Amino acid sequence: IAGITQAPTSQILAAGRRMTLRCTQDMRHNAMYWYRQDLGLGLRLIHYSNTAGTTGKGEVPDGYSVSRANTDDFPLTLASAVPSQTSVYFCASSEGDSNQPQHFGDGTRLSIL
Amino acid sequence: AQRVTQPEKLLSVFKGAPVELKCNYSYSGSPELFWYVQYSRQRLQLLLRHISRESIKGFTADLNKGETSFHLKKPFAQEEDSAMYYCALLKSGAGKSTFGDGTTLTVKP
Repeated sequence: IAGITQAPTSQILAAGRRMTLRCTQDMRHNAMYWYRQDLGLGLRLIHYSNTAGTTGKGEVPDGYSVSRANTDDFPLTLASAVPSQTSVYFCASSEGDSNQPQHFGDGTRLSIL
Repeated sequence: AQRVTQPEKLLSVFKGAPVELKCNYSYSGSPELFWYVQYSRQRLQLLLRHISRESIKGFTADLNKGETSFHLKKPFAQEEDSAMYYCALLKSGAGKSTFGDGTTLTVKP
């Protein structure tokens, strides 16, 4: 089934460790996004990319980095995980410069101890 | 800057009752507005968008520019409507969306 694939599904990580969440889409969408979903805070945008080779900061970028080497992949890296980064992370994509809705992955549940 | 407000974090209704999930926005331009739904243990998915003016799963939403609202309505709620609902605003041509904090709807039997 076409769409967005996120990996891993869930992860428990010790504080201070480095972690990369993977996101791959096969819809050839230009734009991709990373959100975190926290109880009572809804969806907050971490980073986004309007097209391959470009990235931008969202609402809560601190402690996270992204890269967009090609159209399909948009990994999110936590360089040194902290407990406040415990969350559910969603990757999404859209056609970008047209007014089209976003398509979401299944999410990665990350727990930082 | 644009903002989306969903004033109710939790909403509970009985099966067969009407339901309205509120969404208000602030944006100086012409917005594109969406409702997304997340059923238990599933990914977020688009429910409907204002420009399509269609009814999906019995839900409708009308953009009221005067009141800057995009409330989601269904005349007769079903148990399978229980889910988290997010209202989102897309700046025209910008790609990025601003999401509200979400409303968890519970439809009781």
